[in-house]
Amino acid sequence: EVQLVESGGGLVQPGGSLRLSCAASGFTFRSYNMNWVRQAPGKGLEWVSYISSSSGTIYYTDSLKGRFTISRDNAKNSLYLQMNSLRAEDTAVYYCARDKLELPLVFDSWGQGTLVTVSS
Amino acid sequence: DIQMTQSPSSLSASVGDRVTITCRASQSISNYLNWYQQKPGKAPKLLIYVASTLQSGVPSRFSGSGSGTDFTLTIASLQPEDFATYYCQQSFSTPLGTFGQGTKVEVK
Repeated sequence: EVQLVESGGGLVQPGGSLRLSCAASGFTFRSYNMNWVRQAPGKGLEWVSYISSSSGTIYYTDSLKGRFTISRDNAKNSLYLQMNSLRAEDTAVYYCARDKLELPLVFDSWGQGTLVTVSS
Repeated sequence: DIQMTQSPSSLSASVGDRVTITCRASQSISNYLNWYQQKPGKAPKLLIYVASTLQSGVPSRFSGSGSGTDFTLTIASLQPEDFATYYCQQSFSTPLGTFGQGTKVEVK
């Protein structure tokens, strides 16, 4: 069974940093492209970042302006999101999501999400 | 930038109803359109990808159609477990992975 389990969320002050992790199991992690998608409270879904299976290709949504860094460790079956200079508008549930094989940005498996709250 | 617009934003329906949700892209996205279902407090679930392909395990009452800029999600006969919010998403071009604003299907 495919499992994606996010961790690392919590309460952080504006300007602070947080590192999210996503532990993958039940599939060959190194073969799949991965993503982070977020959802602000009561709002819709927003794609945040993409990383290819080999880490060779990385994309971010424009609004991040270089504050977030996506990475992965295929030996540890893990995906990460380093978030710096956090703002109130970054408050959201952050999901890791797996791409369907051969179909970039089609998210066929999702974690349960981890809540990030940016507030003083 | 490609914008995705869903209509309606919400709808009320009864079990057994046929439900149609529309998604419009601001420019052509070929058939790179996907549909997700999300229930409160849960992660989204992929229903349909590349406009009309049913994800494995998704009931056949769900169907998708369209190409270019106009797309439709249809639920042939609404079931109690289908009350949820539905999102379209384009996977064609930057900004990547853009979602529509969602359509909430509520009990009439």
